Amino acid sequence: AQSVTQLDSHVSVSEGTPVLLRCNYSSSYSPSLFWYVQHPNKGLQLLLKYTSAATLVKGINGFEAEFKKSETSFHLTKPSAHMSDAAEYFCVVSPPNSNSGYALNFGKGTSLLVTP
Amino acid sequence: DTAVSQTPKYLVTQMGNDKSIKCEQNLGHDTMYWYKQDSKKFLKIMFSYNNKELIINETVPNRFSPKSPDKAHLNLHINSLELGDSAVYFCASSQAGAGANVLTFGAGSRLTVL
Repeated sequence: AQSVTQLDSHVSVSEGTPVLLRCNYSSSYSPSLFWYVQHPNKGLQLLLKYTSAATLVKGINGFEAEFKKSETSFHLTKPSAHMSDAAEYFCVVSPPNSNSGYALNFGKGTSLLVTP
Repeated sequence: DTAVSQTPKYLVTQMGNDKSIKCEQNLGHDTMYWYKQDSKKFLKIMFSYNNKELIINETVPNRFSPKSPDKAHLNLHINSLELGDSAVYFCASSQAGAGANVLTFGAGSRLTVL
């Protein structure tokens, strides 16, 4: 079985300061890991995806995440927060290869607040 | 053009009623999903169809019945609605092969049961 734990339910940063959203995973095999973002009253948008290629993954809107097997972590970072980054962020793990259909396992989400 | 579209966006109804939510994707994907997001924003898969065949059926009350008339459509019908069914329901789709675990989500349908 695989799961993810998002270590912070809420994170507050000032505009222009770095963002760190923490995620630890548990998996008995090499996982595929994702970060999705959900803006208020919107659907979920894929930020980035890790699939055992480069351990540092770059995503959209200046976000990146680093896969650290030794720490079972996949933290999301951004050098400088923008007001538009305020949203709910979900760390997600996928089961191994499937020919059809994936039951993604979502973390409980981290709400990012960006203050002026 | 919207890739994954759900209707209605908002649905308010009384306990005991029957309602449906429709989903359509124009991405040419083979697999479609229904996810439920509860009031604490936790997302959990309910169902998945691959090319009109049910392939994932999580522990969901049998009052919930998905139907896929073709691979571009996946509808969710809910009978005898209960207060606990209030949630946001997200439809999603993914392609076959490489990238099959990358889901494209719709904007969600917020169901409120009174």
